[in-house]
Amino acid sequence: DTAVSQTPKYLVTQMGNDKSIKCEQNLGHDTMYWYKQDSKKFLKIMFSYNNKELIINETVPNRFSPKSPDKAHLNLHINSLELGDSAVYFCASSPRISDTQYFGPGTRLTVL
Amino acid sequence: AQSVTQLGSHVSVSEGALVLLRCNYSSSVPPYLFWYVQYPNQGLQLLLKYTTGATLVKGINGFEAEFKKSETSFHLTKPSAHMSDAAEYFCAVSPAVGGSARQLTFGSGTQLTVLP
Repeated sequence: DTAVSQTPKYLVTQMGNDKSIKCEQNLGHDTMYWYKQDSKKFLKIMFSYNNKELIINETVPNRFSPKSPDKAHLNLHINSLELGDSAVYFCASSPRISDTQYFGPGTRLTVL
Repeated sequence: AQSVTQLGSHVSVSEGALVLLRCNYSSSVPPYLFWYVQYPNQGLQLLLKYTTGATLVKGINGFEAEFKKSETSFHLTKPSAHMSDAAEYFCAVSPAVGGSARQLTFGSGTQLTVLP
């Protein structure tokens, strides 16, 4: 009965590879988000989708591409992984924009 | 534009002592304010939030926070710390108006250690 789930929980990969992180919410929310948490625990929003439409697209490399096949899913695809991409990536959802956000457990990405 | 400053990246208290985690914000429009807690290797969990109305907000696990507009602050308190309160705490702000531009901005976090 997990509200916001992410897979995988851990991801270890080599530089230059392409990887995807999946996020699903079963809360019926309209809005979903991706955040990056760096090694100093700083959280920064990357993207936000509302009803499958991209509404927030912060300054992130275009190697990062979100995809929302439906309201319940927001996946993050990363091309040509770099060392600096190592971080914990959190997915979140909210009923509407600026409502309380509910976070997934995070995906720890390590790029070697 | 909005920003959040959390004073003290690390706070240590003894079990049973008062917990005070400081948060100051800057926002050009009326804000919504949040405190989230992150336990080790877990996602963020909402502790409490202020949107409108009463400025003293009570949350889960005995925490509360008071919105002070004149001081642009939203400090988090708990009268008596418990060992299970040890975690990372994040203050966050979201503008109350602004359409699709409304997004959550987080502070840098405060690691709370509770000493036996």
